[in-house]
Amino acid sequence: QVQLQESGPGLVKPSQTLSLTCTVSGGSISSGSYYWSWIRQPAGKGLEWIGRIYTSGSTNYNPSLKSRVTISVDTSKNQFSLNLSSVTAADTAVYFCAREARGPKYWFDPWGQGTLVTVSS
Amino acid sequence: DFQMTQSPSSLSASVGDRVTITCRASQSISSYLNWYQKKPGKAPKLLIYAASSLQSGVPSTFSGSGSGTDFTLTISSLQPEDFATYYCQQTYSTPPTFGQGTKVEIK
Repeated sequence: QVQLQESGPGLVKPSQTLSLTCTVSGGSISSGSYYWSWIRQPAGKGLEWIGRIYTSGSTNYNPSLKSRVTISVDTSKNQFSLNLSSVTAADTAVYFCAREARGPKYWFDPWGQGTLVTVSS
Repeated sequence: DFQMTQSPSSLSASVGDRVTITCRASQSISSYLNWYQKKPGKAPKLLIYAASSLQSGVPSTFSGSGSGTDFTLTISSLQPEDFATYYCQQTYSTPPTFGQGTKVEIK
């Protein structure tokens, strides 16, 4: 079955750009039936959707982060990536990638295990 | 954004207990409501989608109900592996938003 795995630096300095990659295995990221999303969870807080990408490259972002977020896809590597610029301590969180079923009613399944990113000098 | 409010924030229960978690939306979301289970260090797991549809492979002890603004996740007989944090999520409006979570602990 499809599995997702996040990777990237665990420590980022303030004002720099956080970059993460999600590798999809067990299925093609080019399947037309799905979007590919990023979600994060700061310690002790709730889940926050960051944004999504379709294999065509079209994206949607959370308005709260839109000015700092870029999500891209590399179908040849079966990967999609997150860049979050100008990070602060408030961006310290566990970052998850997930597959999102397309359709009027949609859900996230499966998810990656998550990767902790700490913003600190 | 649509706000999702879960209650309680935490609960203590024993194996075999019936557990009910409530999720309330700030506006009507029809049945655009999903439930997830989260254990420490693990990926969130989809339990229920579209308010009441059981995800494949999820035990039938889990069920969901509701529409509009009020929703319920019920565990009919709590098992040791069910101790976790549960989140509701609305997908009626973008951005999709989550409740703050309900932690189910062992009594």
